[in-house]
Formats: sequence, C-alpha cells, structure tokens
Amino acid sequence: ETGVTQTPRHLVMGMTNKKSLKCEQHLGHNAMYWYKQSAKKPLELMFVYSLEERVENNSVPSRFSPECPNSSHLFLHLHTLQPEDSALYLCASSRIPPRAAGTDTQYFGPGTRLTVL
Amino acid sequence: ELKVEQNPLFLSMQEGKNYTIYCNYSTTSDRLYWYRQDPGKSLESLFVLLSNGAVKQEGRLMASLDTKARLSTLHITAAVHDLSATYFCAVDLLRMDSNYQLIWGAGTKLIIKP
Repeated sequence: ETGVTQTPRHLVMGMTNKKSLKCEQHLGHNAMYWYKQSAKKPLELMFVYSLEERVENNSVPSRFSPECPNSSHLFLHLHTLQPEDSALYLCASSRIPPRAAGTDTQYFGPGTRLTVL
Repeated sequence: ELKVEQNPLFLSMQEGKNYTIYCNYSTTSDRLYWYRQDPGKSLESLFVLLSNGAVKQEGRLMASLDTKARLSTLHITAAVHDLSATYFCAVDLLRMDSNYQLIWGAGTKLIIKP
C-alpha cells in the first residue's frame, strides 16, 4: 500500500448504528486530518492530530469521535448520526504539523462516502 | 474570519482554448495551495505558492499569487479533456491558538469538451 488509504470506501448506516472509519498513511508523516466534504460546500476541517496528539477540534458534534493510536493510523468513530452527516469523509496527512511556519502540503486518501438513513 | 472565494464555480470550455480560474481571499496570508479532484476520487496537490509574485507551472497549468491583491490565478493553456476536474484553492489561516489551518474555496468544476 502506498500513500493514504481509507476503509471502507462506502458506508450506509442508520441513525442508531455505531461504525468506525479507518485511515492509514504510509508516508511517514507526522500529522493527520479528518475533513468533511459536502456537495457544493468547501472542505470542512474536523480534527487534526500532530504526533498522535489532537491539536484541533473544530466544534465538531460529539457524535464524531476521533482516535489516533499511532502516527500512521487515524479512526473516526461514529454514533447516533443524523442524515445531514451524509458526506464524503476525507483523511489527509502531512509531513510537518500545521504550526509555527504554516501548513504543509496535505496528501489525501480516497475518502469514505457515508450515507445516513 | 478568512473567506476564500473561487470563480467561476463551473466552467465548460472547448479543447484548445485558454482560461483562468480565480481565487480571492479576504485576509492576509502568504501561502496558497491549488488542488485537483477527479470525479469520485481524492484531492491531489498541484501547486503551493509561498510568496508574493510566485509563479509555478506544470504542463498546461500555471498558478500565480499576488498577496497584495489577495488573489491567485490558475491559468489553463490549450485545454485538453484530461484536465476536466474540480480545482480547489486553499489558503493558510493563522489561528488564535498559533496553529495554522487551511481554509478552502468551494471549488471550480471544469469540463473540457472535445
């Protein structure tokens, strides 16, 4: 595997389900990100982890819970979602964390297309 | 609050033509990215522009940055069908907590017809 991988690629869940999205980066990067991409809206940054420490939480509802067990893996745990949470969820990584000197180029995974019924 | 506006949001053009996509942002920033997203696929980095007057070129795409005007352009020369995609610009924002964050434009969907 190379680059940034995400599983599953597609997920359909009911509002009472609990599921998790997985992201793995094979680039040796030190920062990982979760984004939400909704139709006709700019990408929304959800969470940032730098060296496994969460450094960003952009007022995301608690029904989304991130986990970063090591610098290569990132999870997004989902529970009691709403239909408006249906979107493409993108994971990204960067070599340099987004502090001090500005952001670094981010490398994106293919995304998980989430549908909440 | 930093706002990033792209225009046009949709562009249909003929192969062989030239066109420009614009990215305006509302507050000072010295770093701007252009990304490409093919339908059903992820985002791919095209350019990072780090200073006023920066210009970068790759094939038929050329990006420039004017930090004083808070404007970046992505120019397409002699378009070919393979360039059909959605193009995003993203701008660095320094937050109150001293971390940086990318603020994204809504994207320009480009369709190039034979």
